[in-house]
Amino acid sequence: SQQGEEDPQALSIQEGENATMNCSYKTSINNLQWYRQNSGRGLVHLILIRSNEREKHSGRLRVTLDTSKKSSSLLITASRAADTASYFCATFFLPTNDYKLSFGAGTTVTVRA
Amino acid sequence: DTGVSQDPRHKITKRGQNVTFRCDPISEHNRLYWYRQTLGQGPEFLTYFQNEAQLEKSRLLSDRFSAERPKGSFSTLEIQRTEQGDSAMYLCASSPSGLPTDTQYFGPGTRLTVL
Repeated sequence: SQQGEEDPQALSIQEGENATMNCSYKTSINNLQWYRQNSGRGLVHLILIRSNEREKHSGRLRVTLDTSKKSSSLLITASRAADTASYFCATFFLPTNDYKLSFGAGTTVTVRA
Repeated sequence: DTGVSQDPRHKITKRGQNVTFRCDPISEHNRLYWYRQTLGQGPEFLTYFQNEAQLEKSRLLSDRFSAERPKGSFSTLEIQRTEQGDSAMYLCASSPSGLPTDTQYFGPGTRLTVL
């Protein structure tokens, strides 16, 4: 079963607007990661936030993490057509001696020109 | 660094046939993972290797599935007696070690269609 659930399932925005998507998860985590998947291409790692961090930035990306609510958000500012993709959150379970990612079902983002 | 490669990119087979996929990880990456992704879903973990040792297998990996990483470099995933429910994208990923903060680098995937 998948650990994370993204919301919304799909998002359509105008170029230049911001896109926000959320991820909720069920169990304690070591870290949470966001990945992007373009049509027909593999997954690309975007950003990782550790369980003891609350906010992280990378270029036009901003990620927040609220471990009390077991939720995270990904904000893409000043969106571009190239940001059209599916975005997945992925978590590492705790406690565990082995580390593997558990992905949500993703948010499909369409950026209109 | 040429990234993770997978072969073939697409495979169409008839139900009951056996198929084998290959994954070449980034060189010197100790960890290699296999995931399966169906339409509209995120990747689901199947199995992973630390060097040549297969350390964990998901319940999704029935006895028709077998994976190997014989010399700790490339890996193969074989599906025997394929079923239509096996149709999916099979993704391979590698990471330098097993640390939870390691980035996993994904290959482009092998899309399997079982007729």
